[in-house]
Amino acid sequence: SQQGEEDPQALSIQEGENATMNCSYKTSINNLQWYRQNSGRGLVHLILIRSNEREKHSGRLRVTLDTSKKSSSLLITASRAADTASYFCAMGSSGAGSYQLTFGKGTKLSVIP
Amino acid sequence: EAQVTQNPRYLITVTGKKLTVTCSQNMNHEYMSWYRQDPGLGLRQIYYSMNVEVTDKGDVPEGYKVSRKEKRNFPLILESPSPNQTSLYFCASSSWGTPNLFSGANVLTFGAGSRLTVL
Repeated sequence: SQQGEEDPQALSIQEGENATMNCSYKTSINNLQWYRQNSGRGLVHLILIRSNEREKHSGRLRVTLDTSKKSSSLLITASRAADTASYFCAMGSSGAGSYQLTFGKGTKLSVIP
Repeated sequence: EAQVTQNPRYLITVTGKKLTVTCSQNMNHEYMSWYRQDPGLGLRQIYYSMNVEVTDKGDVPEGYKVSRKEKRNFPLILESPSPNQTSLYFCASSSWGTPNLFSGANVLTFGAGSRLTVL
């Protein structure tokens, strides 16, 4: 089954710095998504990139996708204390009338004021 | 307000006592899914449903049952809970189709979570 791995598992930066998180996966995908989770709460969707796209921007977020390397990265620019959360990549795969969204284990980001 | 509602939010139960975690969405979404979240393991999919009366196993279905008799509801049933099912459970839903800027298809909306403890 599809598995995702985020790197690093934890990241601590100063406010104003950029944060980069990476995600690798194993099998082909239709889309890759990034979600954010504040401690113990439900996940919130941040951005979706389709398999035929290479880069996408949304506000301070920049996502890249390299399907040849089966990897993606999430860049948060000019980080704020409020960005402190866990970030998950999720791989969307469809086939034979079904669709699955499989999550990685997450990167825990701490932004120090 | 568009949302996914799970109940109960917190539950402590004992081994073997059947329980049901309800999930309801008001967005007319075709796709619904259950995940469990455990420390160090991330989110793992238990079951998902592409539409009414269509359900399929995810990565960790053992010990769980689901049903999809109505589009809005997708309950998770633990027939005989065991301590290894102690976890944080999330229900999520999405519309189904080719994702684009406007449709939001395949983007999951999550419930607030149900924290289950089995003693």
